[in-house]
Amino acid sequence: QKEVEQDPGPLSVPEGAIVSLNCTYSNSAFQYFMWYRQYSRKGPELLMYTYSSGNKEDGRFTAQVDKSSKYISLFIRDSQPSDSATYLCASLTQGGSEKLVFGKGTKLTVNP
Amino acid sequence: DVKVTQSSRYLVKRTGEKVFLECVQDMDHENMFWYRQDPGLGLRLIYFSYDVKMKEKGDIPEGYSVSREKKERFSLILESASTNQTSMYLCASTPGGRNLYGYTFGSGTRLTVV
Repeated sequence: QKEVEQDPGPLSVPEGAIVSLNCTYSNSAFQYFMWYRQYSRKGPELLMYTYSSGNKEDGRFTAQVDKSSKYISLFIRDSQPSDSATYLCASLTQGGSEKLVFGKGTKLTVNP
Repeated sequence: DVKVTQSSRYLVKRTGEKVFLECVQDMDHENMFWYRQDPGLGLRLIYFSYDVKMKEKGDIPEGYSVSREKKERFSLILESASTNQTSMYLCASTPGGRNLYGYTFGSGTRLTVV
């Protein structure tokens, strides 16, 4: 079983929709959780990160981690065509090596 | 802003050629990484380095080697390119120490081996 599982989609939504992107992980030692956004023909860029369980909000984006169920979520409110990209979740252990473990990515298209 | 620069955006090479992919970062980062990204497989770690002249194998090192002679530069070498190495290659760096999430990626090199 891969350490971080992510539904690859693709996901297509109308502009203004609420988007929910999800990952599950298997390694209980993961403490740091990140979401990266990757536009076509570009490298991934860090969108949000959280430590341990809880929510973190940044504008239209909310990252949520539930360690009891090993579930990572990213919510996008009022989605825009400019949000169309591939979203990758990633996890990291605390005190371990600095190798991020990535999900495979979910391709999102927001239609005007 | 930290910049991670990969020398080529697109590269076409022949089977059996020795291929060098170059990556340079300009913020004195300790750690550097090479990934390849393929549809349906996601990002896979090839090699990484925590310091000059140090290297460690990632998940798929076969057919690749790396060189880190200077802190800012991390090179990926395909000793004898094969068609199954056609992929998008991404370089990343992080400051190291307690900064556990500051991965900065380059824009990638799309390599085609024919």
